[in-house]
Amino acid sequence: GQQVMQIPQYQHVQEGEDFTTYCNSSTTLSNIQWYKQRPGGHPVFLIQLVKSGEVKKQKRLTFQFGEAKKNSSLHITATQTTDVGTYFCAGGSNYKLTFGKGTLLTVNP
Amino acid sequence: DSGVTQTPKHLITATGQRVTLRCSPRSGDLSVYWYQQSLDQGLQFLIQYYNGEERAKGNILERFSAQQFPDLHSELNLSSLELGDSALYFCASSDLWGTGYTFGSGTRLTVV
Repeated sequence: GQQVMQIPQYQHVQEGEDFTTYCNSSTTLSNIQWYKQRPGGHPVFLIQLVKSGEVKKQKRLTFQFGEAKKNSSLHITATQTTDVGTYFCAGGSNYKLTFGKGTLLTVNP
Repeated sequence: DSGVTQTPKHLITATGQRVTLRCSPRSGDLSVYWYQQSLDQGLQFLIQYYNGEERAKGNILERFSAQQFPDLHSELNLSSLELGDSALYFCASSDLWGTGYTFGSGTRLTVV
């Protein structure tokens, strides 16, 4: 079945440093979605990418969808303590989302 | 409040028992999804319902079953519980196209 791999598993940064998490699917995706889960919370939808090569920005967050629609990345510029949490990518196909295992981001103030 | 309501928030039960988790989707959403989250397995898709019909199935054990009722709320039934079933169970809902799931706050199940 479809597998979505995400790296790194953990990332610790100093406040102000940049952060990137990468997502790779074993199959071509119809779309990719990104979620953030704060410690003790539930996943919250951030964005969906649909088109090959698509790039979207939300303030300090930049999301990319690969040309082959099998990989994606999330880049955070100048991290803040409020960015702490686990970031999940989720690949969409056949009416279901397959989530990666997530990248836990911790930020040292 | 995300708009998706899950009850109960916490559940402690013994091995071999049966429990029912309940989910009310966000107003207007016809799709309901169930996910299991554990530390080592991440978010595992269990099952999806759309307007009362089963639409997709993931790695759901035979001991587990779900349904969606005419009022669109959904229930996940877990039976013959084992220690390994201890996890956080999330319900999510979405529109027809699945653009951005809205998750509930989850039910933390502890099997002792």
